[in-house]
Amino acid sequence: DGGITQSPKYLFRKEGQNVTLSCEQNLNHDAMYWYRQDPGQGLRLIYYSQIVNDFQKGDIAEGYSVSREKKESFPLTVTSAQKNPTAFYLCASSIGLFNQPQHFGDGTRLSIL
Amino acid sequence: AQTVTQSQPEMSVQEAETVTLSCTYDTSENNYYLFWYKQPPSRQMILVIRQEAYKQQNATENRFSVNFQKAAKSFSLKISDSQLGDTAMYFCAFMNSNSGYALNFGKGTSLLVTP
Repeated sequence: DGGITQSPKYLFRKEGQNVTLSCEQNLNHDAMYWYRQDPGQGLRLIYYSQIVNDFQKGDIAEGYSVSREKKESFPLTVTSAQKNPTAFYLCASSIGLFNQPQHFGDGTRLSIL
Repeated sequence: AQTVTQSQPEMSVQEAETVTLSCTYDTSENNYYLFWYKQPPSRQMILVIRQEAYKQQNATENRFSVNFQKAAKSFSLKISDSQLGDTAMYFCAFMNSNSGYALNFGKGTSLLVTP
């Protein structure tokens, strides 16, 4: 079945540590996105990529980095510069056309030890 | 920048009744898309319905329909014959041609369907 796989489901980070969240899709979608969700907040855009080897900052990119070396993969690294990383992270993908909805993974819950 | 406002943090409705969730947005663009997503306790994001701004006809998907008022920049979701499985967070979202067709989300409305 086609879909988006995020791993791990739960992740813990120590102070000063970088951690990487995985996002893989087999939908043959060109565009991929990372969102952050905090309690009482909607989803906020961290980074997006419309094509391999290209990505753009979203509204809250500080303290995060991404890569897009393969069409299927869009990993997100939460760096030590991100001072408040505890949140639920959702990855999404779409065909990349204006009228197409995004499909979401099941999310990764990141907590600080 | 586009903003999306959901003014009802929480709502409840009895099973089989009808409920309407409000959403307003602010944009200077003329062409855009609007979406409602549902997030049940499993936290999976599920597309409920979408509306194209240049279409005057309101979108409908089974028990879900929208009331799209472009001049008022309003995009409310009506759920008819509410079911217990409709209990979830509901997010209104705006898509434009900037930011790689990413979505701007409202803060959500938590809907509880009671027996």
